[in-house]
Amino acid sequence: AQSVTQPDIHITVSEGASLELRCNYSYGATPYLFWYVQSPGQGLQLLLKYFSGDTLVQGIKGFEAEFKRSQSSFNLRKPSVHWSDAAEYFCAVGAGWGKLQFGAGTQVVVTP
Amino acid sequence: EAGVAQSPRYKIIEKRQSVAFWCNPISGHATLYWYQQILGQGPKLLIQFQNNGVVDDSQLPKDRFSAERLKGVDSTLKIQPAKLEDSAVYLCASSLDLQGNEQYFGPGTRLTVT
Repeated sequence: AQSVTQPDIHITVSEGASLELRCNYSYGATPYLFWYVQSPGQGLQLLLKYFSGDTLVQGIKGFEAEFKRSQSSFNLRKPSVHWSDAAEYFCAVGAGWGKLQFGAGTQVVVTP
Repeated sequence: EAGVAQSPRYKIIEKRQSVAFWCNPISGHATLYWYQQILGQGPKLLIQFQNNGVVDDSQLPKDRFSAERLKGVDSTLKIQPAKLEDSAVYLCASSLDLQGNEQYFGPGTRLTVT
């Protein structure tokens, strides 16, 4: 069965600094990988996804993620965070046919 | 394009009462999902519909939870009777096709069971 681990429950970052959120997955085949963001009181919004091909994926809001098969990782990065990036971020692995397994999430706090 | 709509946004009930949530997916989306998100956890899939048929309900506690999507559009999720551990946010999502490569989520219904 697939699983997703987000090792960091909470991250605090200064506005303008870089951000990296970690995601490790366990899956027997080539996974579909996703990053979602959830702002308070809002549903989840898809930031980016990886299915195949180029292992560096560009998403919305200036985010990117890199798939590393050897490390079973799919870390999310942003070079310079804005106060509006404060939210909870979820990594998910897809087993196909819409079945997503989500990690527990990483709460990002942005300080002035 | 209108997003996924859910109502109510908040609900407080006592244990052993019943409650129902409603979801209207994005127009034309064949696949609809209900997720349960307990505080501090990621969403967990409860049930997946393709049009008005159930694709996967393996994680739905069928002794108390039920869901339907009678006309292949709107869906309702019901809990009867509710338990304290059902306190969570219930998220509805939809996707254009069964592969669910891009799921669009509604704002959720926050349920508190006292």
